[in-house]
Amino acid sequence: SQQGEEDPQALSIQEGENATMNCSYKTSINNLQWYRQNSGRGLVHLILIRSNEREKHSGRLRVTLDTSKKSSSLLITASRAADTASYFCATTFQGGSEKLVFGKGTKLTVNP
Amino acid sequence: EPEVTQTPSHQVTQMGQEVILRCVPISNHLYFYWYRQILGQKVEFLVSFYNNEISEKSEIFDDQFSVERPDGSNFTLKIRSTKLEDSAMYFCASSPNRGVQPQHFGDGTRLSIL
Repeated sequence: SQQGEEDPQALSIQEGENATMNCSYKTSINNLQWYRQNSGRGLVHLILIRSNEREKHSGRLRVTLDTSKKSSSLLITASRAADTASYFCATTFQGGSEKLVFGKGTKLTVNP
Repeated sequence: EPEVTQTPSHQVTQMGQEVILRCVPISNHLYFYWYRQILGQKVEFLVSFYNNEISEKSEIFDDQFSVERPDGSNFTLKIRSTKLEDSAMYFCASSPNRGVQPQHFGDGTRLSIL
């Protein structure tokens, strides 16, 4: 398998707290993307980080990438109840393939 | 903002029947994909389509599956003879071109095989 696991599998926090989710992978990547999925809905693209980047920000989201450890983390700051969803990392791998390989995801619950 | 749209949102079909899932990708996108998500499992790649032909397919995408772009806007996934294990959420995605990410996903079609 090219993709590792995300951890934690589930995360429950209070509104206003920060949420950190981690993702690991096994082979060299072109880029790593984070997606969000509300229950029963489609995948919404959040942020993309390229293999030559180490950190990226978008609003309350911060993504880091450590290619030496083959891992990434997604930080959501000042969480809101509306952030409750499943979060997936997905990678495209070197070698010309365009397909995304997804992790199992982290189910985030933000309690009001 | 442009969206990928999928129809129907839910499809219930008897085992052995053919089913066609429909997608309208974002209008200026050139690269199209199908993924599926069995309940409680990972999102899995099925097939990618570019320049009117399959670019890549997974082991899941066997002879029972086919894709087509019948006109300038629709992109379809056909399952010829459905099995119980085909029950899943099927997502269509599109991206602007080869080598250009991210992929934009539709809301999915929930396929239930009885």
